[in-house]
Amino acid sequence: KAGVTQTPRYLIKTRGQQVTLSCSPISGHRSVSWYQQTPGQGLQFLFEYFSETQRNKGNFPGRFSGRQFSNSRSEMNVSTLELGDSALYLCASRGGFDEAFFGQGTRLTVV
Amino acid sequence: GEDVEQSLFLSVREGDSSVINCTYTDSSSTYLYWYKQEPGAGLQLLTYIFSNMDMKQDQRLTVLLNKKDKHLSLRIADTQTGDSAIYFCAEVGSSNTGKLIFGQGTTLQVKP
Repeated sequence: KAGVTQTPRYLIKTRGQQVTLSCSPISGHRSVSWYQQTPGQGLQFLFEYFSETQRNKGNFPGRFSGRQFSNSRSEMNVSTLELGDSALYLCASRGGFDEAFFGQGTRLTVV
Repeated sequence: GEDVEQSLFLSVREGDSSVINCTYTDSSSTYLYWYKQEPGAGLQLLTYIFSNMDMKQDQRLTVLLNKKDKHLSLRIADTQTGDSAIYFCAEVGSSNTGKLIFGQGTTLQVKP
């Protein structure tokens, strides 16, 4: 069974640009959550999608958005990038309320 | 509110047992998790425990849950150098959706 796949693994963007990250969950899992990991703030919840609907949202500005497709794949978008958006972005895949599996993450560097 | 606290650093000798501790505040948490993160990698799910359990054992890993004190611990028996990593505990938030609340992570250093 394939794991959670995040693409791309690494990304370098310039301030003011926008970026789209992709997450393919484990087959059969309908919940995808996104997290931002930084040395200063640790792991922070961005949002969760379940069956194409946003079910929960963290405390991030509106520049951070996401969506989920009918095949459960999810994308997150960050517009007008700031230096502080440099982070490891992780997505988690869940089939139920128990196990939550993470991908390898996308390392975003904003210069 | 929702908050998870962990000590930041633990150093042990190879072959010893490691105990990583975590406290949480949300008494309605249903699942509590332990994840391992190696440098440059994502989060690897080690184990999890449902809130109606006191203990769960999985090979070298033992999880203890004290609901009264809101205290969770992870014991790694016969710690190996390959266990060196950052360990995160996490709880499912009270909304019981996919939102995980993470601790700051405990860096485990295993000396040969």
